[in-house]
Amino acid sequence: DAGVTQSPTHLIKTRGQQVTLRCSPKSGHDTVSWYQQALGQGPQFIFQYYEEEERQRGNFPDRFSGHQFPNYSSELNVNALLLGDSALYLCASSADIGTGNSPLHFGNGTRLTVT
Amino acid sequence: GENVEQHPSTLSVQEGDSAVIKCTYSDSASNYFPWYKQELGKGPQLIIDIRSNVGEKKDQRIAVTLNKTAKHFSLHITETQPEDSAVYFCAASGSRILTGGGNKLTFGTGTQLKVEL
Repeated sequence: DAGVTQSPTHLIKTRGQQVTLRCSPKSGHDTVSWYQQALGQGPQFIFQYYEEEERQRGNFPDRFSGHQFPNYSSELNVNALLLGDSALYLCASSADIGTGNSPLHFGNGTRLTVT
Repeated sequence: GENVEQHPSTLSVQEGDSAVIKCTYSDSASNYFPWYKQELGKGPQLIIDIRSNVGEKKDQRIAVTLNKTAKHFSLHITETQPEDSAVYFCAASGSRILTGGGNKLTFGTGTQLKVEL
């Protein structure tokens, strides 16, 4: 049973460019969340997708956008890259269980370096 | 919004000793508290979680306690082993009813645990 898979594992981009990161959730999960983890810090919530809609959003600018597909996989897009966007981008999936909190399972992330 | 503080930032113990990591949270509406272990080059791995209707939960060498009144929760690892060395994160999540269904996690800043032989 595959867990959360992310691609690519590493990426180097130049300031001003755009990037797309991809995520496949754990089997049986229908909700995908994205987090940004700067070096030496805890993950910071970017947004969450459920039923192909953005359900919740953290304190990130509009340059960060996402999409969820009918098969529950997801993409994170970042436009006009800044040096400060260099970080580990983590995807987490969970199963929607009504009003309760279900455990989030993380992938190993995409390491983005902006030069 | 929610704010989670975590202490200590680094912790060094001898193999076989116990390790305790403490977290406090600010939002009294938070009701779910997971702990994650992150090894170098990997994503966070869920090791244990606790909900607000429970005061303590144990899974083999790992236990978590929750004090809702004081708004703090702790991770206890007994009989530590070298493979326990990693960065540990606490997190908190609020009521999904209040967030429109979302279950965003707010993380602490992490504790680097080193278990020495």
